[in-house]
Amino acid sequence: KNQVEQSPQSLIILEGKNCTLQCNYTVSPFSNLRWYKQDTGRGPVSLTIMTFSENTKSNGRYTATLDADTKQSSLHITASQLSDSASYICVVSAPGGGNKLTFGTGTQLKVEL
Amino acid sequence: DTAVSQTPKYLVTQMGNDKSIKCEQNLGHDTMYWYKQDSKKFLKIMFSYNNKELIINETVPNRFSPKSPDKAHLNLHINSLELGDSAVYFCASSQGTGGGYGYTFGSGTRLTVV
Repeated sequence: KNQVEQSPQSLIILEGKNCTLQCNYTVSPFSNLRWYKQDTGRGPVSLTIMTFSENTKSNGRYTATLDADTKQSSLHITASQLSDSASYICVVSAPGGGNKLTFGTGTQLKVEL
Repeated sequence: DTAVSQTPKYLVTQMGNDKSIKCEQNLGHDTMYWYKQDSKKFLKIMFSYNNKELIINETVPNRFSPKSPDKAHLNLHINSLELGDSAVYFCASSQGTGGGYGYTFGSGTRLTVV
């Protein structure tokens, strides 16, 4: 069964600090992996998307890494801001039609002063 | 603004009622989806339409019926609402169905069945 597990489930950090969120998946075969940010009361917004041949992808202060051999990904947030407080969701896609994605349950990040 | 827009944003209704949620996208995408997000924040696909044709129909009670009048619209009708239907429903769209395309999500419709 395809699964995507994220850790930690929740995280509190001080503004300005860095943090790293983890994603392990069992989806196989694998097409791409995405990280989404979901603010409270809003829909998920795409941060990065990586295919199996990509090791890293950056979007501003967000940097995602991918190790397709170990089926692990991480999202590193640099110099956190209060606006980074959100749920971060790892989503893995298998190839083929239908565009079925497997979602992780997310990491709830809170950035405090 | 280019976006995926859903209406209503909030919906409170009694058990047994029938309700609809509407979704429209002006991104020119050819594929649209309905997702359900439960209380644990887990997103699960319900339906997917590509150019008005149903391509994904997960194990969803047949009380849920999607309708796509054109590729820019995907509505969700729910009959005989139950307490367990309470959740946030997200509409999304993408260009293509092959899994390699980015999704754009709407802001969600919070359905509360009382």
